Amino acid sequence: TQLLEQSPQFLSIQEGENLTVYCNSSSVFSSLQWYRQEPGEGPVLLVTVVTGGEVKKLKRLTFQFGDARKDSSLHITAAQPGDTGLYLCAGALDPTSYGKLTFGQGTILTVHP
Amino acid sequence: GAVVSQHPSWVICKSGTSVKIECRSLDFQATTMFWYRQFPKQSLMLMATSNEGSKATYEQGVEKDKFLINHASLTLSTLTVTSAHPEDSSFYICSASSPRIYGYTFGSGTRLTVV
Repeated sequence: TQLLEQSPQFLSIQEGENLTVYCNSSSVFSSLQWYRQEPGEGPVLLVTVVTGGEVKKLKRLTFQFGDARKDSSLHITAAQPGDTGLYLCAGALDPTSYGKLTFGQGTILTVHP
Repeated sequence: GAVVSQHPSWVICKSGTSVKIECRSLDFQATTMFWYRQFPKQSLMLMATSNEGSKATYEQGVEKDKFLINHASLTLSTLTVTSAHPEDSSFYICSASSPRIYGYTFGSGTRLTVV
């Protein structure tokens, strides 16, 4: 079983539409991160959330960490073709030693002009 | 910001040969480095965790004799794919973590093709 369930796995939308990606778990995470990855490159960190209920905004992207720190969401407003890519959520269970991250399955987003 | 350099970006090798991939933290000392494998359009799968000066901890199902990891210094970890086979073809990514940078920084990945 996947520790961190990410959905949907594929998303194909038109420019200007809104979308939400979800990450859910039965485990409590000390922190959760969202990454965006382009083909042939490593993941690039978008945001880290650490406090239950926390909401962070990055331009048109809004990230939310669940109150119980078991789930998170990424909402994109008015998507643009430049938002196309693989979005990954990743959680850290260990709060003290920056140990390994657990990744969700990823969401491939395609925004059509 | 924290930068992790991964080299080479891509490599093609013949079946049966070994390939070494380097991961360097350029402006910080990485207490821990991680090696991931990624198949097309899929998420990252953790292969192993390495701490400087100690043996790597491999995830279940990862052959430690095939994927040799050396973390000889706080700025360099290497992954050697030994006796490579076509099924080892994949995208390999390293990341480094350190309390100082409060988080994880990823390398740009290495595309390995075994022919």
